[in-house]
Order: sequence, then C-alpha cells, then structure tokens
Amino acid sequence: QVTLRESGPALVKPTQTLTLTCTFSGFSLTTSEMCVSWIRQPPGKALEWLARIDWDDTKYYSTSLKTRLTISKDTSKNQVVLTMTNVDPVDTATYYCARTYKVVTSNSFDIWGQGTMVAVSS
Amino acid sequence: QSVLTQPPSASGTPGQRVTISCSGSSSNIGSNSVYWYQQLPGTAPKLLIYKNNQRPSGVPDRFSGSKSGTSKSATSASLAISGLRSEDEADYYCAAWDDSLSGVVFGGGTKLTLL
Repeated sequence: QVTLRESGPALVKPTQTLTLTCTFSGFSLTTSEMCVSWIRQPPGKALEWLARIDWDDTKYYSTSLKTRLTISKDTSKNQVVLTMTNVDPVDTATYYCARTYKVVTSNSFDIWGQGTMVAVSS
Repeated sequence: QSVLTQPPSASGTPGQRVTISCSGSSSNIGSNSVYWYQQLPGTAPKLLIYKNNQRPSGVPDRFSGSKSGTSKSATSASLAISGLRSEDEADYYCAAWDDSLSGVVFGGGTKLTLL
C-alpha cells in the first residue's frame, strides 16, 4: 500500500524558514520514473504546485517561488524535504506531498498525503 | 490568477449530466495530457482522470474526460459527470504540465453543487 505523510511546524513566524518533510512507504524513489511533488492550498483557495523531485534527482520548481524553495530527497529514509525561506502570511496553507509514477499515470499525482496545515503569523 | 481557466461553479440535479471546462494554452493543454482531481470537503485531492480520458482503478465510469483535438490548437478539455449523485458534491481541479514553465499548472477549481 502506497502512503505519504507530511510533517512540519503548524506555526512559523514571518521571515523564518519553513521545513516540511514527506515520509512515504510502498514505493521507492530509486525506481525509474518515480517522482514526488509538493502542492499547497491556501484556505478556501485553489491548489498550487510548488516543486518536484525525480528518481534521478532532477528537480523542478514553481517559477514564482523558485528563489525561495529547495527540494531534496533521502532515499534511505524514504523522505522528501521541502524548505521555503523568508515565509510570509500569504504562505499560510495546507501543504501536500504527492506521488507521480510516470510509467503508469504519466505526470499525474496518483497518491496524495493527508496534508499539513501551516500558519505564518507573528 | 490560475494558468488554467475553469468556471468557479457548476450545478445539477441528481441523475443529471454536467460538464466542467478547462481552458489553457499551447504550452500546457495544447502539448500535454490533462488531469482531473476531485476534492471532497476537508480532504486531500484524489486523482479522477489521467492522460485526458483514463480512469484510475476504482473511479466509476460516470466520470469521463476529453480534450478537443490532438494538435497544439487543442487548448481546452472537459470533465463530464453523468448520473449525478450527492457524493459528487466537491471541488474539481484540472491540471497539466506546462512546457514553458517546466512545471505543473492547475485550474482555479470548480465547485459542484447538487440542487
């Protein structure tokens, strides 16, 4: 069974760095065509894709947030980490990680984590 | 402002068929597959349609996706839901890879309400 679980702080102060961890099971990020993305959703608003890391360590970032984001993986721990620098109250959102297995469902997100809510406030 | 454009709302009565549109450009829908996600209130999104019209295992055939044409001029897609049921009340999002942005773009979402 494939599962993903997000973890991180529920509250961060403006200008701080946010670090989120996605811990997954049921698949390996060493498998060809396997990818993990981060997506966020501000309260009452639409989904926004943030970043993706692929099995071969290729990384993609949202152009609007590229300067503030870093995505990395630890295949031994089955984890993907996203860091976001200089957070602002507009970064308040539920943050999801999701799997992409390109061989089966192309560039879709076929399995999602439950999400973790992050509030940015002083 | 989302890169893909969806109507903010849609509605229908039980048993009816509704369609939700998704409009993009040559760099996203015109060049790549379209995906659809269903988000029930308070839950994570769920994959509904991939590669324009394919359903993952477990998704009822009441849900169908289409994309107009196959060339770069085909910049719109739609999701159809037939035999509407109360459990279909949810937000629906379209998405696609964008070659110009080298990333995934989403629509603004459509809230489906049963009357």
